[in-house]
Amino acid sequence: GENVEQHPSTLSVQEGDSAVIKCTYSDSASNYFPWYKQELGKGPQLIIDIRSNVGEKKDQRIAVTLNKTAKHFSLHITETQPEDSAVYFCAASRGYGAAGNKLTFGGGTRVLVKP
Amino acid sequence: GAVVSQHPSWVICKSGTSVKIECRSLDFQATTMFWYRQFPKQSLMLMATSNEGSKATYEQGVEKDKFLINHASLTLSTLTVTSAHPEDSSFYICSARAGKSGELFFGEGSRLTVL
Repeated sequence: GENVEQHPSTLSVQEGDSAVIKCTYSDSASNYFPWYKQELGKGPQLIIDIRSNVGEKKDQRIAVTLNKTAKHFSLHITETQPEDSAVYFCAASRGYGAAGNKLTFGGGTRVLVKP
Repeated sequence: GAVVSQHPSWVICKSGTSVKIECRSLDFQATTMFWYRQFPKQSLMLMATSNEGSKATYEQGVEKDKFLINHASLTLSTLTVTSAHPEDSSFYICSARAGKSGELFFGEGSRLTVL
């Protein structure tokens, strides 16, 4: 089955700096890679996703890059703000939109943005 | 965006009792729902995949007789933790896949504490 590794497990940055989180996956058939933000005591919220037919996607201060050959993808947050502090999870799955597209999650990164 | 509601958001029960957690898609029909368990400071681990009108598919190592899943309608899935023990204390999260778009939406989670 799929295995997703995520690094680092914790990340502390100064407000205004950038944060980068990296994930690797094992299943070459995976073609959908979402990123989730989870605040304390809440469920994960989708912040950005990328499909295997593109190499990069950007949404305001958040961007994701995908390297299919190396089987890794990264989340980039620029101009970090204290409200970006949370736990971030990457995930991978096959067949976005297909029946039973199970997500395999990375271990999570606890991000702390210091004011 | 689409909303997935979980109830209760937290529950405390005595060892040996059973607890039911509901997952509802409020503004879309969910052909598939997923149940996850998350221990403190850990990632989400998929427990089972639930398709409306059929038996749930459980991940390896998850006891189907202990974690009963019912997906009786396109908007409701329930997870019943039977004969709960302290080691079942965890954060249980559901996600629902919208039939048309295939996008996954997560609930806010239900924290179970077994005394």
